[in-house]
Amino acid sequence: EIVLTQSPATLSLSPGERATLSCRASQSISNYLAWYQQKPGQAPRLLIYDASKRATGIPARFSGSGSGTDFTLTISSLEPEDFAVYYCQQRSSWPLTFGGGTKVEIK
Amino acid sequence: QVQLVQSGGEVREPGASVKLSCKASGYTFTGYGITWVRQAPGQGLEWMAWISTYNGKTHYAQKLQGRVTVTTDTSATTAYMELRSLRSDDSAVYFCARDLFWGADGGYVFDYWGPGALVTVSS
Repeated sequence: EIVLTQSPATLSLSPGERATLSCRASQSISNYLAWYQQKPGQAPRLLIYDASKRATGIPARFSGSGSGTDFTLTISSLEPEDFAVYYCQQRSSWPLTFGGGTKVEIK
Repeated sequence: QVQLVQSGGEVREPGASVKLSCKASGYTFTGYGITWVRQAPGQGLEWMAWISTYNGKTHYAQKLQGRVTVTTDTSATTAYMELRSLRSDDSAVYFCARDLFWGADGGYVFDYWGPGALVTVSS
C-alpha cells in the first residue's frame, strides 16, 4: 500500500499570503496525484489531478507540481474561502490512498 | 447537472449490517465509475471501494475485504455499499463519488461527490 504523508499538519497563515502544502509518497506514483479541499460538514472538492491539472472551475491561484514521490499544492494568495483541510490522493495503484490532510487555518 | 443523492443516516448495533445508496443523475451512469470513501468523526478520508458501473468490476480496501460489497443497479442509476459485522469504529460519514474520467476503468480521481451519510454504530 502506498502511504501518503502530508506536511505540515497545520498551516497558520493570513489572507493574501502564499500557502505551500506538501505530499510525499512512500514510493513513486509518477504524476498520479490529486488534491482535494474539504470544508467542515461538506464533501471533498477536487482541485488538482495528475499532479498539476486544475479541475473544472478551480481558480488559477491553486496550482500543483511534482512527480515521483514529492508533490506540492500552492495557493498563491489565500482568499477567506480557502481556509479548509486539504488532502492528497494517489491513483497509481490499488488500494487508492489519501494523505492525512493539512489544515490551513487563519492566523 | 450531475448529482449524487445519498440515502439518509443510519443507526445500527454492533454486529449488524448497513446498506447505503447513491442515486446518480445528470449524466450517463454507466460511463463513470463510483467510489466509496468514509470519514470518521474528526478524522481524515479513508478509501473503501470502487466499482465500474459499466461491467461491475470492483476493488476493495484490504482492511474491509470480506465485510464490504459495492453493487450497482444500472436501471435505477444507483450504486450501493453494504458493510457487514459493524463495529463502533465503523461510525463515520460515508461518501459516494464519481470518477472524473469516462470509461470502464475510470481513472480513480473523483469530481462529483454525494453529501455523505452518517452511520452510527452503537449499542
